Formats: sequence, C-alpha cells, structure tokens
Amino acid sequence: TQLLEQSPQFLSIQEGENLTVYCNSSSVFSSLQWYRQEPGEGPVLLVTVVTGGEVKKLKRLTFQFGDARKDSSLHITAAQPGDTGLYLCAGNKAAGNKLTFGGGTRVLVKP
Amino acid sequence: KAGVTQTPRYLIKTRGQQVTLSCSPISGHRSVSWYQQTPGQGLQFLFEYFSETQRNKGNFPGRFSGRQFSNSRSEMNVSTLELGDSALYLCASSRQGFDEQYFGPGTRLTVT
Repeated sequence: TQLLEQSPQFLSIQEGENLTVYCNSSSVFSSLQWYRQEPGEGPVLLVTVVTGGEVKKLKRLTFQFGDARKDSSLHITAAQPGDTGLYLCAGNKAAGNKLTFGGGTRVLVKP
Repeated sequence: KAGVTQTPRYLIKTRGQQVTLSCSPISGHRSVSWYQQTPGQGLQFLFEYFSETQRNKGNFPGRFSGRQFSNSRSEMNVSTLELGDSALYLCASSRQGFDEQYFGPGTRLTVT
C-alpha cells in the first residue's frame, strides 16, 4: 500500500487542455515535493510546498498543499507536448531526507 | 554549477555477482540519498548518508549497503545480485538533508 496515492495513474490529453494530478495521504508531511521525470533520466524537482494551504505558481503549473498537509495537487493550464512525462509527488515526514514517493502519474500531451 | 553525477550509467551483471555504484553530489551538498526505481514498486528509499554517517535507512535487505566519503561522494553496493535487483538506481543530494533534493540521471542495472 502506497503511503502517498497519486491519481490518475495515466492521463492523455490534447495540447491546450488543462489537467490536474492529485496526491493524497492519510499521513501528515512536513513538506511535499513535485518532480517530473523523463524516460531514462532522474526526476527533476519542480516545486517544494511546506505550509498548509500554500499555493505556488510556476508559469502554467499551479501547486497546492492541503490545509492539513496531507494532500497536494498539480494543475497544468494549456498543456503543451513538452509537459509530457511522469509526475511524481514525494513527502518528507521527519528529519533527514527520507522521501516517500507516490506511484506517479504518466501524462501524455498530444499535439 | 554541476549537477549530481552517477557512474556508470548502465551496467549488466549476472545473478550472484556484486556491484558498486558511485554518486558525486552537487558541490556543497553534504547529504546523499539512494533510491531504487522499478516499474512495479516505483521509487523506494534505500538509505541516506550525511557527513559520512548513515542517517536513515529504508526497508531493504542487508545485501544493499552504502558509504559516504569525506568529500561527500557516495557509493552503494549490492552483493549476491538477484534478478529482482534489476532497476534504475538513483541518488539525490541536498545541502543539509532537510531541504530540497536534486537527483542524478541514475544507473540502470540489469541482472541476468
């Protein structure tokens, strides 16, 4: 059982559409990070959210951290083919870097 | 600023052999963490080293071990390889271990 559940597992959309990826847990995290990973490469950090209720925007990407710090969402506006990849959320519960990853959401944006 | 580097990028080993993977963190980063990524289990935490000491450990058998050197470079070793050890092994570095982690490109290990 994943401590962090991501949904959906797979998302295929047309260029220009919007999409939202969810990351849910029954546990509280001190921080939550979102990564994007492309085939054969390591995950690339997109954002870190720390405060409950926090909203961060990175160009067309909007990240939210739930008030109780148990869940998060990633929203992409007007998706582009370059947004294609595996999106991973990861939570940090305690001192030291022991990230717990969600199962990932594979996003395909078709031109 | 150079990113996290991992060597080798690809490795093919036979069951029963052992393997050593290397990770050089970003300059100034003292924490190095290792992860195993497989299609079935996703990304799983192996262990974290900080100032040459193992600070956190995941739920992997004792065949998986690691160490960190005084220059923060880290190695992980897997002994008596099994087919199920085939995976992408990723290392990540951060400054103090309580902050953002940056991943290397990974080492793809195939056990035959």
